Amino acid sequence: DAGITQSPRHKVTETGTPVTLRCHQTENHRYMYWYRQDPGHGLRLIHYSYGVKDTDKGEVSDGYSVSRSKTEDFLLTLESATSSQTSVYFCAIREGLADWSSYNEQFFGPGTRLTVL
Amino acid sequence: ELKVEQNPLFLSMQEGKNYTIYCNYSTTSDRLYWYRQDPGKSLESLFVLLSNGAVKQEGRLMASLDTKARLSTLHITAAVHDLSATYFCAVVGNYGGATNKLIFGTGTLLAVQP
Repeated sequence: DAGITQSPRHKVTETGTPVTLRCHQTENHRYMYWYRQDPGHGLRLIHYSYGVKDTDKGEVSDGYSVSRSKTEDFLLTLESATSSQTSVYFCAIREGLADWSSYNEQFFGPGTRLTVL
Repeated sequence: ELKVEQNPLFLSMQEGKNYTIYCNYSTTSDRLYWYRQDPGKSLESLFVLLSNGAVKQEGRLMASLDTKARLSTLHITAAVHDLSATYFCAVVGNYGGATNKLIFGTGTLLAVQP
């Protein structure tokens, strides 16, 4: 399972409250990703990280921020949750021989189901 | 902007039958992935396709890639109930880049009926 855990696994919160989701990995992977999964959209990339303190936006980054102060942890924060952010959130890591290797595969964590009321 | 389309979105098939799921993408890419997702679960990696003409097989599933047509297929042979799941294809969104950002199709829900 590539040593990825996510916490919490389920969360219900109210509109306007801040929420932080945690992704933890145990295998020292450089690249980590946050996706959201919604019916009819597949998975969409929110943010990703290519090292400690190095992050960049994905295709649906509005309303989200991330931080990576340690290699093993990648945090996703919703500063003020909205109902449109109700979703299942997946963290992923990338395994590969080297940054520019063609063979780079992403493995996914178990997911966090977030409901914003 | 890279777009990935899968069809069909839903596939109901009988055990023992063959069928194909199609994945089309709109711009050049050098990597394509297939994933499986069971209800309420995470995504499981099935295949990584890296070059034109690549074909990979695992059990009753076979995936192929035609980069010139920007098309990948996932062929199911003699379906069994255990193959019921949602299947996603994903394409790397930055050709030649190191960040490996994936653009996913919307998924194909496969239901194999006895």
